[in-house]
Parts: sequence; structure tokens; C-alpha cells
Amino acid sequence: EDQVTQSPEALRLQEGESSSLNCSYTVSGLRGLFWYRQDPGKGPEFLFTLYSAGEEKEKERLKATLTKKESFLHITAPKPEDSATYLCAVQAGGATNKLIFGTGTLLAVQP
Amino acid sequence: DTGVSQDPRHKITKRGQNVTFRCDPISEHNRLYWYRQTLGQGPEFLTYFQNEAQLEKSRLLSDRFSAERPKGSFSTLEIQRTEQGDSAMYLCASSLEGLAGVEQFFGPGTRLTVL
Repeated sequence: EDQVTQSPEALRLQEGESSSLNCSYTVSGLRGLFWYRQDPGKGPEFLFTLYSAGEEKEKERLKATLTKKESFLHITAPKPEDSATYLCAVQAGGATNKLIFGTGTLLAVQP
Repeated sequence: DTGVSQDPRHKITKRGQNVTFRCDPISEHNRLYWYRQTLGQGPEFLTYFQNEAQLEKSRLLSDRFSAERPKGSFSTLEIQRTEQGDSAMYLCASSLEGLAGVEQFFGPGTRLTVL
């Protein structure tokens, strides 16, 4: 069964304290791995798509990487405005187009 | 730039009533998705349309749920005889057709509370 597991469930950082969020997945034929940011009461906001092992993408203080079993979202020198829930999702091969999400990591960055 | 819009943003209803939500996707997107999200969980897939055709439905989508996309533009999701367990955020997303994994862009969601 296709599955996504995110860790940790919650993470508290001081402003400027870099860290990484983990997304482990099992999927039959990965077509894409997606990272989203979600603020309370809002819909997920798209951040990155990764397609194959070894791929990396960056946006401001965020960098996403992908291996055959997991993805990492590295946050460098975070600011309080980076506080949010970060969701990881996969899209399996075959005819399906649905995204399978993990439960997310709730990040709090304190000034 | 017009993103995905959903209406209403909030809905409070009594158990047993019917509710209908609307989603307007990004204008050039031909794929439209519905997801449901409960507190502390990631979104769960409900159903997906390519143009007017409903191509995939989750086992989560019971007989009380029905979705339509009559002209391949906006979509509606109706829940009949609501139950307290239906309380959740209902999210709509849209994307362009593609061979590789294609990012889905989400709307703000409709928060449903069933009393």
C-alpha cells in the first residue's frame, strides 16, 4: 500500500537555527513527490515537485532533496514567518492522479 | 492572477441536512480534485475530474457524497444527510494534464461543521 510518513510531528526552532524535516515514502512507481506549506485555516500552498532520486530544488530558505526512499526539506536560518505545517505528498504510477499525503510537520520558529 | 476559489468558506449545518460546496479552478486547468482534511491529518483524496469526466473516486466517497463538473469548469460537491463525522475541511485543487507528476494547486477550503 502506498504510504507517506513525516517526522517529526512537531518542531520548535529558534530564529536562525537550521534543521530538516523528513518524509519517508513507499509507493509503486513514483511519478512525483510534492512539498506544500499550510497555514492554519488555509489550503496547502505548493512549494516543490521532485521527480527522481538525486534531484534538489531551492526556494529562499528552503531546499528539498529526494532519495529512493525519502525526501528532506532543509530550512536554513528560519524566520518566524516560516512557521506553518509542512506537508509531503506522493503521486504513484499508473492511472491514478491522486496525491497521498503525510500528516505533516508543524514547525514553530521563535524570535 | 486568479487561483482556485471555493464557496462558501464556512458552513454550519444540522445533522441530516444536505449541503453543497462549489469550486472554481484555475481557468486553464482541465483537472479538478476534491480532498477532505480533518484536524491533525493530511488531506485525503475523494475524487477527481478530467474535464467533465469523473475518472477516479475514493472508497471514502460514500453514497451520500456526489460530485459534478457539468461543463468542465466549476465543480460542486454535495453531501446528503450529513453526519457529525462529515465535519472537516473540504479542499479543492486543480492542475493541468501532464505525463509526469503535476503539481496540484489548492483553494482555501470550505470548513464544514455538522451539529
